[in-house]
Amino acid sequence: EVQLVESGGGLVQPGGSLRLSCAASGFTFSLYEMNWVRQAPGKGLEWISYISGSDNTIYYADSVKGRFTISRDNAKNSLYLQMNSLRAEDTAVYYCARKRIQDYWGQGTLVTVSS
Amino acid sequence: EIVLTQSPGTLSLSPGERATLSCRASQSVTSNYLAWYRQKPGQAPRLLIYGASSRATGIPDRFSGSGSGTDFTLTISRLEPEDFAVYYCQQYGSSPWTFGQGTEVEIK
Repeated sequence: EVQLVESGGGLVQPGGSLRLSCAASGFTFSLYEMNWVRQAPGKGLEWISYISGSDNTIYYADSVKGRFTISRDNAKNSLYLQMNSLRAEDTAVYYCARKRIQDYWGQGTLVTVSS
Repeated sequence: EIVLTQSPGTLSLSPGERATLSCRASQSVTSNYLAWYRQKPGQAPRLLIYGASSRATGIPDRFSGSGSGTDFTLTISRLEPEDFAVYYCQQYGSSPWTFGQGTEVEIK
């Protein structure tokens, strides 16, 4: 059974940093592209980053480019999102999702940016 | 960046009725890489349709997708209670992938 479990969310002050993790199981992680998608409270979905299976192709949304870094450790079956220079508008539930078509999603982790 | 516009914003229907949701792109979607997702309150989205018209694993045949280029449609032939939710289209053909703003299907 495919499972994706996000962790690392929490309350952080504006300008601060946070690192999210996504633990994958039930499939051969290294063979699959992965994404991060977020959803602000009461709002729609926003795709923010993509990484290929071999991590040689990476894309970002303009809203996070230069501040967020996606990475993966295929040996640990894990996906990461390093978030720096956080702003109030980054407050959201952050989901990891498998494949370009996002066929499986985790349950999400809440990031709150507030002083 | 490709902007996706979904209509209507809200669709009020009764169980058993047919739902037709629209997604229009600001420019042609590469290879018709257009997906539809359903999101119930408090849950993660679930993939319904990819490649504009292919049903994802485990998705019942009451869901169908159609369209190409800039105009796409999701049709739910007979609404079940679990189908009252928010639906999003997404293009994943050219970076940045983008979502539409969503269509809520509510019980009339």
